[in-house]
Amino acid sequence: EIVLTQSPDTLSLSPGERATLSCRASQSISSSYLAWYQQKPGQTHRLLIYDTSRRATGIPDRFSGSGSGTHFTLTITRLEPEDFAVYYCQQYDNLITFGQGTRLEIK
Amino acid sequence: EAQLVDSGGGLVQPGGSLRLSCAASGFNFDNYAISWVRQAPGRGLEWVAGISDSGHSTYYADSVKGRFTISRDNSNNRLSLQMNSLGVEDTAVYYCAKGTDRYCSGSRCYPFDSWGQGSLVTVSS
Repeated sequence: EIVLTQSPDTLSLSPGERATLSCRASQSISSSYLAWYQQKPGQTHRLLIYDTSRRATGIPDRFSGSGSGTHFTLTITRLEPEDFAVYYCQQYDNLITFGQGTRLEIK
Repeated sequence: EAQLVDSGGGLVQPGGSLRLSCAASGFNFDNYAISWVRQAPGRGLEWVAGISDSGHSTYYADSVKGRFTISRDNSNNRLSLQMNSLGVEDTAVYYCAKGTDRYCSGSRCYPFDSWGQGSLVTVSS
């Protein structure tokens, strides 16, 4: 099983700032089969990024993904008020596992 | 637009059984793999089980293998999860989630582009 570890657990930033969320895998994820999701109270989970860097339909370009091997990053430039939420990474190279999540909160 | 509606959650005693359902609409149900993902209170997401578009292939997390059974009815656009021998560790909100592909190719699976709102399962005496 590939274990995903996200950091930090909580990130406190202000609107307009840049957010960088990390996801590290216990073994290499081939072909960049990694996705990112956003979870907000009262809403269903939202796919943001798949295949490491491809934005899902309707996702603004302030969201971007990068990385390879065992280290992946979700970057949100110019945080908007609606971006404060919990973010999860998911690998689908070897069945499916998720990271434990990063809570992005307003500072 | 794809929509998934989870149902069937509730309170069950340890050792008991429960069956979850997920009603799908807004997409060609029999063209996509579907999974169940759960989230225990205060915890992150855990993938539980998945099923291919045809229903011929199923996949399970080790934590539920032998106790849970995933199935689908493509004629009625419904997904089910039969949960037996439930333990307190199975307490969670259970979500059905639509994959972006038809099946896992070997162990290589898919991300999820549509999720249900979740159904709470509480295992307690």
